[in-house]
Amino acid sequence: DIQMTQSPSSVSASVGDRVTITCRASQGISSWLAWYQQKPGKAPKLLIYAASSLQSGVPSRFSGSGSGTDFTLTISSLQPEDFATYYCQQANSFPSFGQGTRLEIK
Amino acid sequence: EVQLVQSGAEVKKPGESLKISCKGSGYSFTSYWIGWVRQMPGKGLEWMGIIYPGDSDTRYSPSFQGQVTISADKSISTAYLQWSSLKASDTAMYYCARVPRATRIHFDYWGQGTLVTVSS
Repeated sequence: DIQMTQSPSSVSASVGDRVTITCRASQGISSWLAWYQQKPGKAPKLLIYAASSLQSGVPSRFSGSGSGTDFTLTISSLQPEDFATYYCQQANSFPSFGQGTRLEIK
Repeated sequence: EVQLVQSGAEVKKPGESLKISCKGSGYSFTSYWIGWVRQMPGKGLEWMGIIYPGDSDTRYSPSFQGQVTISADKSISTAYLQWSSLKASDTAMYYCARVPRATRIHFDYWGQGTLVTVSS
């Protein structure tokens, strides 16, 4: 099984800040990584797939990068609606998710 | 517009059976895999399995193999997740989601979730 580890587990930031969340795979997964956003009481929403491809309709302030074992999700300028929990998910083999990163308002 | 609409919340007792549903619309239901994802209270996401409604080819996460059954009825564009004997530890939110490709699985559209509560 491929284990996915996100850091930090939680982060506080202000509107307008640039935020980066990191995801590390326990073994190489090429570029087979997706990122999701989940707000309380709602289903997850796909943001990024194949490490850096922006899902249709997702604002361009979201970007993803990385390959192999280390990946990042960057939000270039936080908006009020971005405060949520973010999950990475490897797609190289049977899917597995990171534990989540809670993005809170400072 | 792609939509996945799940059945409503369920409250069951341990040992009871249950089947929840996920109805797809706005796309060719038989051309995309559907996956199921569990989220236990206050916890993260866990992939359970996927099904291809076109031919009912099904693949399970090793963690859920034998614990649940995934099925589909392509005539009504609906996928199902069922339990034969529920346990308290099955209490969770269950999401269905569309899988845009059979390999390198990720989930592009999600249902609203079905909350299953198992309590005596």
